[in-house]
Amino acid sequence: ETGVTQTPRHLVMGMTNKKSLKCEQHLGHNAMYWYKQSAKKPLELMFVYNFKEQTENNSVPSRFSPECPNSSHLFLHLHTLQPEDSALYLCASSQGLRGLTDTQYFGPGTRLTVL
Amino acid sequence: GQQLNQSPQSMFIQEGEDVSMNCTSSSIFNTWLWYKQDPGEGPVLLIALYKAGELTSNGRLTAQFGITRKDSFLNISASIPSDVGIYFCAGLAAEDSNYQLIWGAGTKLIIKP
Repeated sequence: ETGVTQTPRHLVMGMTNKKSLKCEQHLGHNAMYWYKQSAKKPLELMFVYNFKEQTENNSVPSRFSPECPNSSHLFLHLHTLQPEDSALYLCASSQGLRGLTDTQYFGPGTRLTVL
Repeated sequence: GQQLNQSPQSMFIQEGEDVSMNCTSSSIFNTWLWYKQDPGEGPVLLIALYKAGELTSNGRLTAQFGITRKDSFLNISASIPSDVGIYFCAGLAAEDSNYQLIWGAGTKLIIKP
């Protein structure tokens, strides 16, 4: 039990579909993150939310739209994705007091396949 | 941008062998982190290093923060089957009062049956 859950665990979608990934943390943290993980590549930080405010957007295409309604929940809305967006999407959380110096706790990820 | 070179990319070892992997960069880092990712799971923090020269152990795992602050090493002694997975290094760098967490591409550890 990592304290960070993600749903769904697997998702297959067409390029014209709209879907959402959900992340929930039960650790009382204030910062949440979305990462993209592709095989044999470093983790790519996509978005950071600290106390519900977006503090980082690493030049992510607008077909990815994050939403953080409260400190415990984070969504990633997907629309008109491309096959190269197929990857494991990881959510993480941290205390949020010291920014990126805080230890991050990861969820199990959503394996996304775009057809 | 800043990059970490993590090597080896993968390792095939026999159970009981010692394992060594490292991350190097041309940039200086303030913190080094080592994570392990089991199949179907997210990365889990193993060891955090905060000072140049620091040597820290976590059971059979030992990691060191290089003196130059540009590299770090992770050693696993007497490997066991549950050590399989992907090991990631991550370095925290400060640039213009902004922090960046840079990740290595991972070392995949496979234990030969």
